[in-house]
Amino acid sequence: QVNLLQSGAALVKPGASVKLSCKASGYTFTDYYIHWVKQSHGKSLEWIGYINPNSGYTNYNEKFKSKATLTVDKSTNTAYMELSRLTSEDSATYYCTRYYSSYTYNWFAYWGQGTLVTVSS
Amino acid sequence: DIQMTQTPSSMPASLGERVTISCRASQGISNYLNWYQQKPDGTIKPLIYYTSNLQSGVPSRFSGSGSGTDYSLTISSLEPEDFAMYYCQQYDSSPPTFGGGTKLELK
Repeated sequence: QVNLLQSGAALVKPGASVKLSCKASGYTFTDYYIHWVKQSHGKSLEWIGYINPNSGYTNYNEKFKSKATLTVDKSTNTAYMELSRLTSEDSATYYCTRYYSSYTYNWFAYWGQGTLVTVSS
Repeated sequence: DIQMTQTPSSMPASLGERVTISCRASQGISNYLNWYQQKPDGTIKPLIYYTSNLQSGVPSRFSGSGSGTDYSLTISSLEPEDFAMYYCQQYDSSPPTFGGGTKLELK
């Protein structure tokens, strides 16, 4: 069964960076793109971007281009997202999600459990 | 970016009741519309893809419809496990965007 296991909650200081992980299992890691989604407390979902685990190609939401950096380690089937120059606006839960894509049908098929990031001094 | 507006933002309802959640796009999205359910513990799962197609394992009491800019999710008879948050999401154009969410609450 497909599973995306995310790293635990993080408390980070303003101005610092944090690197979140998402370990995939139950499928061939390089066959599906991994996307990341932000959910601020009590708010909706925002798409951050995706990475192709096979090629390392990335595509970002313009809003997050200078904030997030997506990478993968194929040897451990793990995707990473680094968030830089953190402010209180970055306090949120971040989800990794495996995408299903066909010509007509596309959706976020499997989701990690989320990682809560709190930015506070 | 395409804006997705969900109504209502919260909905008190009773067990066995039929409910409908609406989702309006700021421009036509050609049925490229998905629905997700989020439980209080944060778990998110897909419910419906491409407007009206039920995901595997999703009960038949869930259904989706719509076209153009207006879409809806209907639950025909509420069960206890249906009280959760629901989000619509368009994938007609990048970036994919989500509605603001609808919280289904027990009346």
